Amino acid sequence: KAGVTQTPRYLIKTRGQQVTLSCSPISGHRSVSWYQQTPGQGLQFLFEYFSETQRNKGNFPGRFSGRQFSNSRSEMNVSTLELGDSALYLCASHSGSNTGELFFGEGSRLTVL
Amino acid sequence: AQSVAQPEDQVNVAEGNPLTVKCTYSVSGNPYLFWYVQYPNRGLQFLLKYITGDNLVKGSYGFEAEFNKSQTSFHLKKPSALVSDSALYFCAVRGPSGNTPLVFGKGTRLSVIA
Repeated sequence: KAGVTQTPRYLIKTRGQQVTLSCSPISGHRSVSWYQQTPGQGLQFLFEYFSETQRNKGNFPGRFSGRQFSNSRSEMNVSTLELGDSALYLCASHSGSNTGELFFGEGSRLTVL
Repeated sequence: AQSVAQPEDQVNVAEGNPLTVKCTYSVSGNPYLFWYVQYPNRGLQFLLKYITGDNLVKGSYGFEAEFNKSQTSFHLKKPSALVSDSALYFCAVRGPSGNTPLVFGKGTRLSVIA
């Protein structure tokens, strides 16, 4: 069974640009969560989608947005990039149950110059 | 809202010695608790979880964790550490009611010294 696939793995952008990250969940999983990982803050929850609907949202500015498609693939977008957006962005898929564990992708490492 | 505290940024242990990585949580109602491990430049890997039942949970790679409701703790343990256990460990909690997100601690870096 294929795991969670995130693309691109690495990218470099400059301040003010925007970026789109993609995530393909494990087949059969209908829920996708996104996290931002930075050395000082650990993993911070961005948002969670279930069957194309945003189910939860973390405390991030409106520059951070996401969506989920009918095939459960998800994208997140960050507009007007700031230096502080440099981070590892992790996507995780799960069945949607509260008791189920998350399965993480390798992440997309974003560097903003 | 639920939260997790991992009080130690770094834990050092000699190979062959027992290890403990600490975690305390705060959540309304009965918690669902998880431990994950992250190796350099990789995503997180699931180690074990506590949902209900026996307070001692066994997981991957010889790790186990003990749920203590009165102390609101879920410490990760291993009887004999390996150098290959060196990694970043995350504790996470989710509340039982509704569809709440999984909230992670800031992580504890474990270094096992040969």
